[in-house]
Amino acid sequence: DSGVTQTPKHLITATGQRVTLRCSPRSGDLSVYWYQQSLDQGLQFLIQYYNGEERAKGNILERFSAQQFPDLHSELNLSSLELGDSALYFCASSAATNEKLFFGSGTQLSVL
Amino acid sequence: DAKTTQPPSMDCAEGRAANLPCNHSTISGNEYVYWYRQIHSQGPQYIIHGLKNNETNEMASLIITEDRKSSTLILPHATLRDTAVYYCIVRVLGGQNFVFGPGTRLSVLP
Repeated sequence: DSGVTQTPKHLITATGQRVTLRCSPRSGDLSVYWYQQSLDQGLQFLIQYYNGEERAKGNILERFSAQQFPDLHSELNLSSLELGDSALYFCASSAATNEKLFFGSGTQLSVL
Repeated sequence: DAKTTQPPSMDCAEGRAANLPCNHSTISGNEYVYWYRQIHSQGPQYIIHGLKNNETNEMASLIITEDRKSSTLILPHATLRDTAVYYCIVRVLGGQNFVFGPGTRLSVLP
């Protein structure tokens, strides 16, 4: 158990819908990262937050947004969903000075 | 961050050492070498990291060549549970994100 909690574990929805994925980092970790893993793309970095502020942005679509709240949990919002958004979405956290990333078990999103 | 090159797949007999190579010929002086692995569809798991000295922990050993252009992750006694995709990443300490390549799919065979 990495200490990073992601909910829900599975999500099935339809095209055009909007979903929210939630991540609770390890206790004390200030940084939260979001990654997308699809079969043909591997692990793709989406976005990073540090103590509530956006720190880095990767290949995140404009239809996707994220935020980190004062209690340090983070949410990834995916809107106008398309079939191609079906993937595993991972959240990871790290401490301010510790460079190890700890990953959650992921949310499997299926867009039908 | 420097790019890495890993073989797409490797096999290893159970109980033997698994030696996973990684080339990072464009690594710069302040970039660390990190190794993660991903078992099936679980979240990636940190294994080890180092700058220039060899490192060992309870999971594995990391051997970095003197010129730092390549490294080897060693699992001393591979078990079936070590079957996974292993990712080698080079990154500046405090860099903004970890870039995962395709990795090496290690199959430990009974």
